[in-house]
Amino acid sequence: KAGVTQTPRYLIKTRGQQVTLSCSPISGHRSVSWYQQTPGQGLQFLFEYFSETQRNKGNFPGRFSGRQFSNSRSEMNVSTLELGDSALYLCASSLGGAGRLGYEQYFGPGTRLTVT
Amino acid sequence: AQTVTQSQPEMSVQEAETVTLSCTYDTSENNYYLFWYKQPPSRQMILVIRQEAYKQQNATENRFSVNFQKAAKSFSLKISDSQLGDTAMYFCAFKGGNEKLTFGTGTRLTIIP
Repeated sequence: KAGVTQTPRYLIKTRGQQVTLSCSPISGHRSVSWYQQTPGQGLQFLFEYFSETQRNKGNFPGRFSGRQFSNSRSEMNVSTLELGDSALYLCASSLGGAGRLGYEQYFGPGTRLTVT
Repeated sequence: AQTVTQSQPEMSVQEAETVTLSCTYDTSENNYYLFWYKQPPSRQMILVIRQEAYKQQNATENRFSVNFQKAAKSFSLKISDSQLGDTAMYFCAFKGGNEKLTFGTGTRLTIIP
C-alpha cells in the first residue's frame, strides 16, 4: 500500500500571500488530520476531517482552514501568511470510524513552508 | 486540557545499551490512549508503541517496551539493545475523549557507535 503523500514538499511564500497544501491518505483511510510542527511550539493539532466533515479543530486562527474530498484527499489552506506560519505541516491518516480512539495515525513526509 | 511533558530534551547512549525516555501527562479522563512516535532525521514520523489506559499490562514491541504507571500518570519508553537506526526524535502523545492527539516536546535520542 502506498503511504501518505503530501504535496508540495517545499514551499516558499511571501507575507500576505495564501497557500494550499495537499494530502493524499492511505487507500481506505477516511480520517485525515493536520499538524503544525515548529521548533518553538512543537507539534500542534490543526484539524481533523472524516468523511468530508471537520470532526475536530485545534486552537488556530480562522486563517487556517481545510477541506476533504469524497476520495478522502484533503487540502489545507492558510490565508494572509505571517512569518510565524513558517513550519513543517504534517498530515496523518487513519481508518477513523467507531472505536477510533486507539487507531494508529500514519504520517506523511510533511510540507516545509517558509514565509519570507 | 491535557498536557504531555517530556523532561529530557536530549539523550545519547552507546550502541547496544538500554535507554529509557520519560513522559508524564495530565488528564482527568479514565479512557485514553498513549503513544510513542519516532521521527528520524528528515524522515516520516512512525508509531513505535501504543498503550490503552485500561490495560494493566505494559505494551511491548520487540526491543521497545513501556512502563505505564496510571496513578502516577507516567509513560516511559525503554529501548533495549539500542541500534544506530534508533537515532531520532521521540514524541510521547496522548489521545483522550476529544480525540485530539496531544504531543510532548520530544526527546532527541542519539545512538553512539
